Amino acid sequence: IVLTQSPGTLSLSPGERVTLSCKVSQRISNTYLAWYQQKPGRAPILLIFGATNRATGIPDRFSGSGSGTDFTLTINSLEPDDSAVYLCHQYWSSPWTFGLGTRIEIK
Amino acid sequence: EVQLVQSGAEVKKPGESLRLSCATSGYSFENHWIGWLRQMPGKGLEWMGMTYPADHDNRYNPSFAGQIGLSADKSIATVHLQFYSLKASDTAMYYCARHKGAGYCSTANCWGFGVFDFWGQGTLVTV
Repeated sequence: IVLTQSPGTLSLSPGERVTLSCKVSQRISNTYLAWYQQKPGRAPILLIFGATNRATGIPDRFSGSGSGTDFTLTINSLEPDDSAVYLCHQYWSSPWTFGLGTRIEIK
Repeated sequence: EVQLVQSGAEVKKPGESLRLSCATSGYSFENHWIGWLRQMPGKGLEWMGMTYPADHDNRYNPSFAGQIGLSADKSIATVHLQFYSLKASDTAMYYCARHKGAGYCSTANCWGFGVFDFWGQGTLVTV
């Protein structure tokens, strides 16, 4: 299963809202789609699992939606610390796969 | 508190073998699958395989099968990733990560597993 993320890179200002896209090459259950945040040299941090469920400790500025083959991650009120790469991930059918990510730079 | 702590960075020569470790704590070690993932410099994450400590069931991404081995030591709640013969292209960051829940597996594939909820800090391997 191939995950295609768009856009590739964004440069945004604090306070803005952004929506990231993840398109999946075949239909998967919502239950098996996650989003991670990854900063350089660091392990990914789980943000959203089951397409819409925030992981423990994740602020409600982060929200996930979508179904079938189209999923989105929305980040409201961007903060400087949100500068990172955001990855989508399917864990429905092995081999588990990840998108290449969307890089967000906060100006 | 769930923790996964990986062994330190390694510098190796082509053809050498290598074993990486991922020490776990804070949960029932035997009852969660642990996966290993590779991230080559500037590239995306690739799932290499996973191991189930309770019965030593190992599942591999076909792209990595035959090049690596997975194992679990229940006595010290640690999983290992073995490289049989390193190549320069094995230079990467390697992560272990815990599956939140298990799905089901046939001989060839697995379906419906839990998300990777806790991750190790990563081990940088330079070949």
